[in-house]
Amino acid sequence: GQQLNQSPQSMFIQEGEDVSMNCTSSSIFNTWLWYKQDPGEGPVLLIALYKAGELTSNGRLTAQFGITRKDSFLNISASIPSDVGIYFCAGREGNAGGTSYGKLTFGQGTILTVHP
Amino acid sequence: DADVTQTPRNRITKTGKRIMLECSQTKGHDRMYWYRQDPGLGLRLIYYSFDVKDINKGEISDGYSVSRQAQAKFSLSLESAIPNQTALYFCATGVGDGGRMTDTQYFGPGTRLTVL
Repeated sequence: GQQLNQSPQSMFIQEGEDVSMNCTSSSIFNTWLWYKQDPGEGPVLLIALYKAGELTSNGRLTAQFGITRKDSFLNISASIPSDVGIYFCAGREGNAGGTSYGKLTFGQGTILTVHP
Repeated sequence: DADVTQTPRNRITKTGKRIMLECSQTKGHDRMYWYRQDPGLGLRLIYYSFDVKDINKGEISDGYSVSRQAQAKFSLSLESAIPNQTALYFCATGVGDGGRMTDTQYFGPGTRLTVL
């Protein structure tokens, strides 16, 4: 099946530092999504990317859809304690009407710890 | 009130028992999904349903069954629970509009299941 590798698995940073994480897939994706999961909660969508090369920001978060369509990264600038959580990338492989349409493949997650 | 609710939030059961996890949504979405989350493995799709009459297996459906009782309700059953089904289970909903929103999934708070 689809392989989606997310790195790093965990990060321990100081408040104020920038953070970068990325995902790579074994095949082409048509959509990349980035989710954050707070402790005891379900994942919440942060950013959605729909076109190769697309760069999108949401506050201190910036994500890019790789040109090869096989990777994406998420940057967090000037981290704060509430950024703590697990960050997941997710991708969709198929096109509209295809059997995989509407199904997402998730990365393994990046656990972020921010020290005050 | 939460848009996607899951019951129970926590459950401890014994090997061989039948367990049902419930999911309800007030978002009016036609698509519903069940995932399990294990440390280091991200979210893996168990079953998904694009409407009340449409049920599909995900990547790890063995040992699980589902029922879409209504547009707003999607339940997951473990017919005979085993210890390696100990995990965090998430229900999600999505919009099947054929456009970009189809890629966005909204997650419930999760059910922590422990099988002894």
